[in-house]
Amino acid sequence: QVQLVQSGAEVKKPGASVKVSCKASGYTFINYGISWVRQAPGQGLEWMGWISVYNGNTDYAQKFQGRVTMTTDTSTSTAYMEMRSLRSDDTAMYYCAREGSRPGDSWGQGTLVIVSS
Amino acid sequence: EIVLTQSPGTLSLSPGERATLSCRASQSLSSSYLAWYQQKPGQSPRPISFGASRRATGIPDRFTDSGSGTDFTLTISRLEPEDFAVYFCQYYGSSPRTFGQGTKVEIK
Repeated sequence: QVQLVQSGAEVKKPGASVKVSCKASGYTFINYGISWVRQAPGQGLEWMGWISVYNGNTDYAQKFQGRVTMTTDTSTSTAYMEMRSLRSDDTAMYYCAREGSRPGDSWGQGTLVIVSS
Repeated sequence: EIVLTQSPGTLSLSPGERATLSCRASQSLSSSYLAWYQQKPGQSPRPISFGASRRATGIPDRFTDSGSGTDFTLTISRLEPEDFAVYFCQYYGSSPRTFGQGTKVEIK
């Protein structure tokens, strides 16, 4: 069955970077894209961007342009989301989701990123 | 950028009742690209529908999406105990693929 397994929780200091991974299994990785969505504590869902696994094309929400990089490694069927210059308001659960003709048809379990001095 | 506004913020209903959740867009959208998700505490979002009455795998037919233009609705015909959760709409026909702020369906 389709599975997206994300890396474990991270605690970072303001100004640091974090790289979250999302390992896919149960489907042909290259045939789908990956979106990243975050959710601050007690808040709603925020779409961060998308990457095509097939050709590496990306589409970032303007809010994250220049601070977020999404990549994939087809040899390990893993997607990555790196965020730089972390601030306290980046504290959130970060999710990856598979995207085909239907968005978010399968989600990772989430990775909690805490930014605190 | 499209803004999606969901209402009400909270819906207090009893099991067996009908739930009607609204998602209003800041501009006219294609219903084919209006998705709905369910999220329970401590869980990842789960897709309910992908627009134009396309339910996600395993979603029972008591869930129905409808609407056009700027007004969209998710209807749960008879609430089951497992349906009490937060529901989000999302437009995925253009970038950014914004979400609504969510509607919580709670037990009355």
